[in-house]
Amino acid sequence: DVKVTQSSRYLVKRTGEKVFLECVQDMDHENMFWYRQDPGLGLRLIYFSYDVKMKEKGDIPEGYSVSREKKERFSLILESASTNQTSMYLCASSFVGGGRGEQYFGPGTRLTVT
Amino acid sequence: GQNIDQPTEMTATEGAIVQINCTYQTSGFNGLFWYQQHAGEAPTFLSYNVLDGLEEKGRFSSFLSRSKGYSYLLLKELQMKDSASYLCALLVDKLIFGTGTRLQVFP
Repeated sequence: DVKVTQSSRYLVKRTGEKVFLECVQDMDHENMFWYRQDPGLGLRLIYFSYDVKMKEKGDIPEGYSVSREKKERFSLILESASTNQTSMYLCASSFVGGGRGEQYFGPGTRLTVT
Repeated sequence: GQNIDQPTEMTATEGAIVQINCTYQTSGFNGLFWYQQHAGEAPTFLSYNVLDGLEEKGRFSSFLSRSKGYSYLLLKELQMKDSASYLCALLVDKLIFGTGTRLQVFP
């Protein structure tokens, strides 16, 4: 059974804190993605990675960074959390090539920044 | 860019058939994907189309017409558990998601 796990389901942080969100997949997928999901705005891509130590900016990378030191793990970092980063964060993974549209999502982390 | 439009909400009755439309404006894409997302849960992949035509997967079918910039997801024999949001997404260099259609199925 394929699996993408995220480190926390719910997280509450204060403005200015550094926040780490971890994602692990056990499917040997090359691609990994970080999205945020907000009501009325849908899923928006923050960053993605197609290989270890590789990263590409998505549509809304400002205020975020990522790290991929191992194939199965992709971390999202909020350098200095702000209230407008309160959101649902979803990690996903996929194979490369034609399979990259079939993405497997983790359960999500609902982050609240106060 | 790619504009993807879906109705915000739809309702239907258990046992019925419902069609969820997705229109888009784009110069080119590799495939069109449909995802299901139950409230509070992660999206799960349902179906995809690369070529024009109908792809059938059990009670769910998806249709694509590239020339008309149009796709739909057809759900047959609706069940209460089909109440969810349905996301249309275009694959370019990455997946671009629409904002989703929230479907409510009533008994």
